[in-house]
Formats: sequence, structure tokens, C-alpha cells
Amino acid sequence: AQSVTQPDIHITVSEGASLELRCNYSYGATPYLFWYVQSPGQGLQLLLKYFSGDTLVQGIKGFEAEFKRSQSSFNLRKPSVHWSDAAEYFCAVGAGSGGSQGNLIFGKGTKLSVKP
Amino acid sequence: KAGVTQTPRYLIKTRGQQVTLSCSPISGHRSVSWYQQTPGQGLQFLFEYFSETQRNKGNFPGRFSGRQFSNSRSEMNVSTLELGDSALYLCASSLRGFPEAFFGQGTRLTVV
Repeated sequence: AQSVTQPDIHITVSEGASLELRCNYSYGATPYLFWYVQSPGQGLQLLLKYFSGDTLVQGIKGFEAEFKRSQSSFNLRKPSVHWSDAAEYFCAVGAGSGGSQGNLIFGKGTKLSVKP
Repeated sequence: KAGVTQTPRYLIKTRGQQVTLSCSPISGHRSVSWYQQTPGQGLQFLFEYFSETQRNKGNFPGRFSGRQFSNSRSEMNVSTLELGDSALYLCASSLRGFPEAFFGQGTRLTVV
């Protein structure tokens, strides 16, 4: 069965420090992979996506992610965290076929706190 | 371009009642999906609609239903509400053929 694992429930980093959020997936075919961010009480905002091609993808707000097929991973990174990055981050795999949005399978999320 | 709009933003209902939530997708998007978010279960897929037809369905009881109109707007209905239905309900829209989904702000449903 398809699944997404985010091993870290909560991470605290200092402002200006680098960040890496881990994501591992289980999926039979080449997956569509996404990272979303959610502020308290809000919806999900798409940070970046991977469909195919270059395994290093750039997103909004200075985030990037690297797809590693051999490790079934799609880790999110940011070189320098800002206080406004404090939020919850979700990794997701798209299980649709034939171009369908289908069923997005989400990890449990990683809550990011930023120390001043 | 307006984003995905969900109404209402907040709802309080009593056990046993029913509720209808509404979602207007991004203009031009014809695929709409619904998700339930709870602290315990996280984000779970409810169903997906395209061209007024349900295309995919998650593992939820029949009390959860939905529909899509010819203008792509969608509604979901929950009948015979239970306390466990308290959640943030998120709607997402996408272009058919493109798997990336854009989410609305959600409707926070509280069942008392």
C-alpha cells in the first residue's frame, strides 16, 4: 500500500540556521511528490512538486527538495530559516493515474518551530 | 485569480444533525477533491469529483457524500453527525491531467 512517512513530529531550529525535513514514501511506480505548508487554522499551501526530470526541485519561499529514488526519499531543505517559516509541513504522494489528481496520500506532518 | 473558496469557514452542529459544506474551485479547474484533517488521523482523502462524477473515494462511511455541479462547484454532506466528525474539511482543486492540487482555507466543523 502507498504510504508517506515523516519521521520527525516536531523540529526546532534557530532563525538563520539551515533546515532539512525528512520524507520517505512507499509507492509502486514513479510517484508525483509534493510538499505543502500549513499555518495554524489555515489551508495547505503548495511549496513545491516533483513529477519527473531533474531530481532537485525549487519551490517558493526559498525551499528546495531532492528526490532520491534509491532511498525513496523526498527531503525538504532551506539554507536559512526565517521566523515566518514556523508552521506545519506535509509531504504527500499523488496516487492518481491517467493524470488524475486522485488521492493525495499525506504524511503525518512535521511541526517546525523557529527560535529567535 | 481567485483561489479555492470554502464556505462556511466555521460551523458548530449537534450530534445527529446533518451538514453541507461548499467549495468553489479555481476558475478553469474541473477536478475537486475533499479531505478531512484531524489531530489523530491527519489528512485523509474523502472523494474526488470531475465532470459531476465521483472518480475516487476514500475509506469513509456512507454518511459522507458529495456532489459536483456543472460549474465545477462542489458540496459535501455529512449526515447523522458524530462527535468524531469534528475536523477541518479541506477542498482542493486541480486541472484534469495535472496532479498538483490547490487547497482552500477549509471549513472547521465542530460537533457537540
